[in-house]
Amino acid sequence: NAGVMQNPRHLVRRRGQEARLRCSPMKGHSHVYWYRQLPEEGLKFMVYLQKENIIDESGMPKERFSAEFPKEGPSILRIQQVVRGDSAAYFCASSSLQGATEAFFGQGTRLTVV
Amino acid sequence: EDKVVQSPLSLVVHEGDTVTLNCSYEVTNFRSLLWYKQEKKAPTFLFMLTSSGIEKKSGRLSSILDKKELFSILNITATQTGDSAVYLCAVEAGGTSYGKLTFGQGTILTVHP
Repeated sequence: NAGVMQNPRHLVRRRGQEARLRCSPMKGHSHVYWYRQLPEEGLKFMVYLQKENIIDESGMPKERFSAEFPKEGPSILRIQQVVRGDSAAYFCASSSLQGATEAFFGQGTRLTVV
Repeated sequence: EDKVVQSPLSLVVHEGDTVTLNCSYEVTNFRSLLWYKQEKKAPTFLFMLTSSGIEKKSGRLSSILDKKELFSILNITATQTGDSAVYLCAVEAGGTSYGKLTFGQGTILTVHP
């Protein structure tokens, strides 16, 4: 049973480009959470999704960021027109139940904007 | 706004020492408190605490929650170099925030041989 899979592990983008981060939850998990970890800071909640639904996006910046979790395929975190301040590690967690009780984290995607 | 504060921010010890990591929190509609270990990759789950005064143990690690004073501690006895990591504390609120974790800034533990 593979864990939460994120790809790519490392992503380098120039300012103004788009970044797409993928998260495949554990088998049987229908709840996905995205977190961002800025250098020297703790993880910050961004968005909580279930299949085809955004449940809570209170941590998402209002512009340039979007997330989806389609019926088929991985969850995608999309950052348009990246800026240097978007450089961070982005972690995804998944669970089979609503709530953090059984949430498992992926290895993260380290985004570097140059 | 929910808030989690961990102390100390960093700790350097020698193998065999015992360490205590602290986590205090303010959260509306508390549901659970979780501890994670992070070693340059995915945070790995250690403990989930929901009730006051009940100690959770796993090998040399143990944790307890005080819901009256709003804090938790994580103890590691007979530390080993493999315990070197960032230890993260997080709280989960219920209600409309169900499932969303608020993390502290972490405690960086370094264990020297």
